[in-house]
Amino acid sequence: EAGVAQSPRYKIIEKRQSVAFWCNPISGHATLYWYQQILGQGPKLLIQFQNNGVVDDSQLPKDRFSAERLKGVDSTLKIQPAKLEDSAVYLCASSLGRAGTSTDTQYFGPGTRLTVL
Amino acid sequence: AQSVAQPEDQVNVAEGNPLTVKCTYSVSGNPYLFWYVQYPNRGLQFLLKYITGDNLVKGSYGFEAEFNKSQTSFHLKKPSALVSDSALYFCAVRDSTSGTYKYIFGTGTRLKVLA
Repeated sequence: EAGVAQSPRYKIIEKRQSVAFWCNPISGHATLYWYQQILGQGPKLLIQFQNNGVVDDSQLPKDRFSAERLKGVDSTLKIQPAKLEDSAVYLCASSLGRAGTSTDTQYFGPGTRLTVL
Repeated sequence: AQSVAQPEDQVNVAEGNPLTVKCTYSVSGNPYLFWYVQYPNRGLQFLLKYITGDNLVKGSYGFEAEFNKSQTSFHLKKPSALVSDSALYFCAVRDSTSGTYKYIFGTGTRLKVLA
C-alpha cells in the first residue's frame, strides 16, 4: 500500500514570495490533515478536511495561508506572502475515518521543508 | 484543553538495555493517546495507541506503552534497545474541547541508543 505522498521535499524562497505544497493521501482515506512543524516543536494542526469539506481550520493563519481539496483526494496548501516565521516542515497526514472515530489513526507523509530567507 | 508533556528533551540508553520515554497527559474525560516516531527527513510513523481496556499496549517494532491513570502517564517502553531505535519520539492526545477532534502533540523526546 502506497503511503502519503508530498512534494516538493524541500523549498527555499524569499520572504513575501508565494509557495504551494501538494499532498496525495493514502487511497481511500477520507480525512486529510495539514500540520506545521517548527524546529524543536511537535506538529501543530493547520487544517483538517473530511472529503472535500473543511472540518477544522481554526489554527490556519487565513490572512496568508489557504488550502483546498477540491475533488476530495489530493490537496494543496499555499502560503502567500511568506514570512520568515513560516520556515518549518509542512506535514500532510491522512486517516481512513474522521477524527474522533475508531479509524482516525493518522498516517504521515515525509513532509516539505520550507526555508524562508 | 487536553495536553501532553514530554519532560525529557533527550534520553540516552545503551544498546541492549531497556528504554523508557516518558509522557504525561492532562485530559478531561477518557484519554485517547498515541505514540509516533520520526526518523531524520521523514514523516511521523504510528507506533501505538491507547483507547480503552488493557493498560499495556503493544505496538510496532517491539515497542509497548503503559497507561497509568493514577499517575496520568503513558510511557513508551522497549525491553532491549537497538541503535536503529535512535529517533525523535512524540506523544499525542486526541482533543475534542474545541468541538472538533484534533491531535495535540508533545514537544518530542530524542532517543539516542549508544552502541
